[in-house]
Amino acid sequence: DTGVSQDPRHKITKRGQNVTFRCDPISEHNRLYWYRQTLGQGPEFLTYFQNEAQLEKSRLLSDRFSAERPKGSFSTLEIQRTEQGDSAMYLCASSRGPFYSNQPQHFGDGTRLSIL
Amino acid sequence: ELKVEQNPLFLSMQEGKNYTIYCNYSTTSDRLYWYRQDPGKSLESLFVLLSNGAVKQEGRLMASLDTKARLSTLHITAAVHDLSATYFCAVDIRSQGGSEKLVFGKGTKLTVNP
Repeated sequence: DTGVSQDPRHKITKRGQNVTFRCDPISEHNRLYWYRQTLGQGPEFLTYFQNEAQLEKSRLLSDRFSAERPKGSFSTLEIQRTEQGDSAMYLCASSRGPFYSNQPQHFGDGTRLSIL
Repeated sequence: ELKVEQNPLFLSMQEGKNYTIYCNYSTTSDRLYWYRQDPGKSLESLFVLLSNGAVKQEGRLMASLDTKARLSTLHITAAVHDLSATYFCAVDIRSQGGSEKLVFGKGTKLTVNP
């Protein structure tokens, strides 16, 4: 169990640029989740995948945001035309499912995005 | 819309004292999680509570779930400095099967003073 891995750890970019984050889940986990956390708040759900299928998207996920998990393994989250309000920690989590209801989601260390 | 409220949001306590953090939620759910987050770090799973009346203990921390009252508690016994962190409760919203999306409270920032 090598844990959930996220890359990069930090990203600083200018407003209007596009950014892409990567998440590698725990290998036997078929569910993958993206959350966003701002300072002093709990994480907010963005979207989740079961294998390669994106099963739910939050209304927080505007059309500038897109997430993919093309082969059911790693996932990418892209933000186009970044805005100041996109500055946050982007967390990825993974879990087994749907028959492992007694196990938590395991979180990665996150990617901290700062928009200049 | 599901709301998850934690209180207190800030807790400063002395080593050796006991205290309880409360987590109320606004809709039916029978799965609740407690996580710990250290500054600049990710979330570490502490407890998974799966049914009404569930109680789990690990070291100085004990969590319980009352689904009828829509309330979970995290009790700290004889606090030590190493417990200083932010604690989140999260309620699992699912339609079928395993974990789907979690709705988190705002967190309780715990500081344990010598």
